[in-house]
Amino acid sequence: DADVTQTPRNRITKTGKRIMLECSQTKGHDRMYWYRQDPGLGLRLIYYSFDVKDINKGEISDGYSVSRQAQAKFSLSLESAIPNQTALYFCATSISLAGRNEQYFGPGTRLTVT
Amino acid sequence: AQKITQTQPGMFVQEKEAVTLDCTYDTSDPSYGLFWYKQPSSGEMIFLIYQGSYDQQNATEGRYSLNFQKARKSANLVISASQLGDSAMYFCAMREGANSKLTFGKGITLSVRP
Repeated sequence: DADVTQTPRNRITKTGKRIMLECSQTKGHDRMYWYRQDPGLGLRLIYYSFDVKDINKGEISDGYSVSRQAQAKFSLSLESAIPNQTALYFCATSISLAGRNEQYFGPGTRLTVT
Repeated sequence: AQKITQTQPGMFVQEKEAVTLDCTYDTSDPSYGLFWYKQPSSGEMIFLIYQGSYDQQNATEGRYSLNFQKARKSANLVISASQLGDSAMYFCAMREGANSKLTFGKGITLSVRP
């Protein structure tokens, strides 16, 4: 079973709709992240959370909100979706120990806003 | 200024040959980490290799090695004995200081020819 799961995997929605993307992890990591990937732009950080009570904005947080419901769950919401939020969204996790702290990624959610 | 720069256009390599993917970075923090991730056409992000700024030796992980030139601020990924399954997008990323956030480059597409 995957350690980091994302639901849904694909979603098509209309402009103005509210949508939530969910991320769950069984790795026991305390840190979680949301990124979006656009062609030619790499991955850009939307929000990150170092523990349940710690939420931080990333590089491109406008138009998004997040909720850390538990250590293992981190959800991303688009309150009113717009077409330029069409992208591939990744959730990632890492652990706060000294060392390399690589991030482990979920499979991604492909979101299309029409 | 961009923190991570990957400027190579699409790269091509013959199967079984070695290939180098370039990455330059920009930071004033003396403590940082550099990562390479692979994204095959299926979309998932796979961690390949890590280099810490204080590491004395270049990192190696199987067929992957990192040519770390600190003075030049470059962290090039070397893939030896290329395989068809190496065809993918490759991303260089950096973590600065104790912060576990990653900044990604825009990626390089590698195609392995049979």
